[in-house]
Amino acid sequence: AQKITQTQPGMFVQEKEAVTLDCTYDTSDPSYGLFWYKQPSSGEMIFLIYQGSYDQQNATEGRYSLNFQKARKSANLVISASQLGDSAMYFCAMREGPIIQGAQKLVFGQGTRLTINP
Amino acid sequence: GAVVSQHPSRVICKSGTSVKIECRSLDFQATTMFWYRQFPKQSLMLMATSNEGSKATYEQGVEKDKFLINHASLTLSTLTVTSAHPEDSSFYICSAGGRGGVISTDTQYFGPGTRLTVL
Repeated sequence: AQKITQTQPGMFVQEKEAVTLDCTYDTSDPSYGLFWYKQPSSGEMIFLIYQGSYDQQNATEGRYSLNFQKARKSANLVISASQLGDSAMYFCAMREGPIIQGAQKLVFGQGTRLTINP
Repeated sequence: GAVVSQHPSRVICKSGTSVKIECRSLDFQATTMFWYRQFPKQSLMLMATSNEGSKATYEQGVEKDKFLINHASLTLSTLTVTSAHPEDSSFYICSAGGRGGVISTDTQYFGPGTRLTVL
């Protein structure tokens, strides 16, 4: 079974609109972390936002927020007021298990290609 | 802060040659580094995890003799693709996590990637 599922291969949104990118996950570990990364055409992976499984509040970072619904095992990324520069691939990823010193391996979803239209 | 560099950014080589890719953390100590491979229009596939001073842990299906990983210091890890063949052509990305500077201990910081083309 896929541990991270992103069901939207591609999305097209008008500039300045809000957009939600879907991500569902599958784990039996009570401690985990969820990440979103942006990959523009240049290829680099840009960290956007993080949500820990025990965090009570949804994470926010500027125009990015994570809609964390633990019971549904979903961690959707919401981008408010989209900009042309938001056009890129977006990956949802999960770390399973508690935090130990140093980063731990991530499992990535298949990604969603977001295109912002002017 | 939290800058990870990779060198080279692009490399073209002949079949049968070996290629070394360097991954450096510039402003923090990378206790753990990860190497990923990404085919066009696909997701990242983890190849191996390396901790400073110890042998790398390879994911299932990744040939350790083909992809040699050395994490000799807290700021440098190298991936050597030995006897490269056209099917090894791909985008290779490293990431690092660790301590120091402004980094979050649970976050991986990615390098810009290396595009390898084997003729």
